[in-house]
Amino acid sequence: ILNVEQSPQSLHVQEGDSTNFTCSFPSSNFYALHWYRWETAKSPEALFVMTLNGDEKKKGRISATLNTKEGYSYLYIKGSQPEDSATYLCGGGGYQKVTFGTGTKLQVIP
Amino acid sequence: SQTIHQWPATLVQPVGSPLSLECTVEGTSNPNLYWYRQAAGRGLQLLFYSVGIGQISSEVPQNLSASRPQDRQFILSSKKLLLSDSGFYLCAWSVPSTGELFFGEGSRLTVL
Repeated sequence: ILNVEQSPQSLHVQEGDSTNFTCSFPSSNFYALHWYRWETAKSPEALFVMTLNGDEKKKGRISATLNTKEGYSYLYIKGSQPEDSATYLCGGGGYQKVTFGTGTKLQVIP
Repeated sequence: SQTIHQWPATLVQPVGSPLSLECTVEGTSNPNLYWYRQAAGRGLQLLFYSVGIGQISSEVPQNLSASRPQDRQFILSSKKLLLSDSGFYLCAWSVPSTGELFFGEGSRLTVL
């Protein structure tokens, strides 16, 4: 079972600030790295699934990078907005399953 | 388009009672299926996954079991619930080629 760790556990930022979270995972037995956004009263939704070392993906103001050799991924949010408030889950995948970290809970203050 | 539904949405059960949560997927065939649980103050824990009918892999020893009687149906069960079974249960499916997970609406179980 992959041991996925995320930091920080929670953070508060002002509207307009940029922020980033960290996800670390064992670099052996790695297949894919997943990022999901989980808003209150909703289901988690995929942001990115990345497999290649050095991969960078972007969706609007949110982007992510992947380093499989050292076992970490960063998620960046540029110009945070109140609607970005959510828990961000990172998951390390073997071929058929994804093991998640405990998540980073982001609160954007208007 | 593909959809996933799970029910019931909310359940309050006494200790020692049985449990059955159901999940169905529409619009795709032979998906990988998953049951996750979020206990209070904790992350999302993988409980079971299935790559085909009758094929169940258990990730954590516990008081629960899972079954996949049909290609797009996944059931989570318990014969006797424990207090520690309380939590938020999520069913999910994935396309094997990408691994991206699509989650159901969730079922909140409170065991009293």
